[in-house]
Amino acid sequence: EPEVTQTPSHQVTQMGQEVILRCVPISNHLYFYWYRQILGQKVEFLVSFYNNEISEKSEIFDDQFSVERPDGSNFTLKIRSTKLEDSAMYFCASSEGREGIQYFGAGTRLSVL
Amino acid sequence: AQSVTQLGSHVSVSEGALVLLRCNYSSSVPPYLFWYVQYPNQGLQLLLKYTTGATLVKGINGFEAEFKKSETSFHLTKPSAHMSDAAEYFCAVRNTGGFKTIFGAGTRLFVKA
Repeated sequence: EPEVTQTPSHQVTQMGQEVILRCVPISNHLYFYWYRQILGQKVEFLVSFYNNEISEKSEIFDDQFSVERPDGSNFTLKIRSTKLEDSAMYFCASSEGREGIQYFGAGTRLSVL
Repeated sequence: AQSVTQLGSHVSVSEGALVLLRCNYSSSVPPYLFWYVQYPNQGLQLLLKYTTGATLVKGINGFEAEFKKSETSFHLTKPSAHMSDAAEYFCAVRNTGGFKTIFGAGTRLFVKA
């Protein structure tokens, strides 16, 4: 069964460093998403991406964050200068259509020291 | 604004007993409703969804949920719990035509032998 894959599974970084989290969505999907889950808190929507542009973003997704689809298969989330409070599990998801089921990856745990 | 409330952060049942995980939502328009399950170190897997039509929806692994508009509820049930059902369960809502999925805080299900 097709699945969303995320790498790495765990990323450790120093505060102020840039990180890039990588995702390979399901191949025929057109809509891509990032969510995050701070330990002990809810899964929160960050951003959705379609046709090479952001279609919706939350208030969390400030100028420190950016997303990109650099080629036909990858979808990335960049955090420009990480803060301690960016430590969380980051989930990538994709869907075939706008109202399609969102399929989630296993997540990348980001630890900012 | 949409929100999801899951009653009970932890639920414990005996193997073979009924599983009932409660979810209430608030939404200004008829939403799409979802239940996701998360096993340790894995991503969010869709159990079932309600979009339109029949209000009783069946999902994978013997789970089902009923959409009750008058009660704004979407409780998840399974007649007989298995040890393998032990996981965290998330109720989620999304507006029709929307990108953002709003998640509840999750309910961790424990199954006792």
